[in-house]
Amino acid sequence: EVQLVESGGGVVRPGGSLRLSCAASGFTYDDYGMAWVRQPPGKGLEWVSSINWDGSSIGYADSMKGRFTISRDDAKNSLYLQMKSLRVEDTALYYCARVGYDYGYYFDYWGQGTLVTVSS
Amino acid sequence: EIVMTQSPATLSVSPGERATLSCRASQSVSSNLAWYRQKPGQAPRLLIYGASTRATGIPARFSGGGSGTQFSLTISSLQSEDSAVYYCQQYNNWQYTFGQGTKLEIK
Repeated sequence: EVQLVESGGGVVRPGGSLRLSCAASGFTYDDYGMAWVRQPPGKGLEWVSSINWDGSSIGYADSMKGRFTISRDDAKNSLYLQMKSLRVEDTALYYCARVGYDYGYYFDYWGQGTLVTVSS
Repeated sequence: EIVMTQSPATLSVSPGERATLSCRASQSVSSNLAWYRQKPGQAPRLLIYGASTRATGIPARFSGGGSGTQFSLTISSLQSEDSAVYYCQQYNNWQYTFGQGTKLEIK
């Protein structure tokens, strides 16, 4: 059974930093790309960043470029998101998702999310 | 950035009937289109990928169609458990975007 478990969320001041982690199990982790998707309270889904299976290709949403860094540790079956210069508008539930590929790219498994609150 | 626009924002349908949700892309995404369902307090769940292929475990009453810029998700024989928000999502050149969602209510 595929499982994705996020951790590392919390309350942080504007301008602060936070590192999210995602522990993956139930599949061959280094065969898959991974992603972060966020959802502000009461709002829709927003893609944050993705990394391919070997870490050689990375993408970010425009509003996260230069502030967020995605990485993976295949030895630990883990995905990370380093966030800096956080803004109030970064407040959201951050989901870790596995990237599936077949007739296009999509997110086939999701974690339950970790909540990040940016507030003074 | 490719903008995805879903309609209607809210749809109210009776049990046993059929619901059709629409998603339009601001430019062609070929068949790189997925649909998700999100129930309150839960993570999204993949329903359809490649515009028309059902994900594992998704029943046949869910069907997707379209290509290019116009897509649809049809749910037949509606059940109370189908009450949720449905999102479309596209992929193009290492960028993903979601639609704003359609809230489906079962009367």
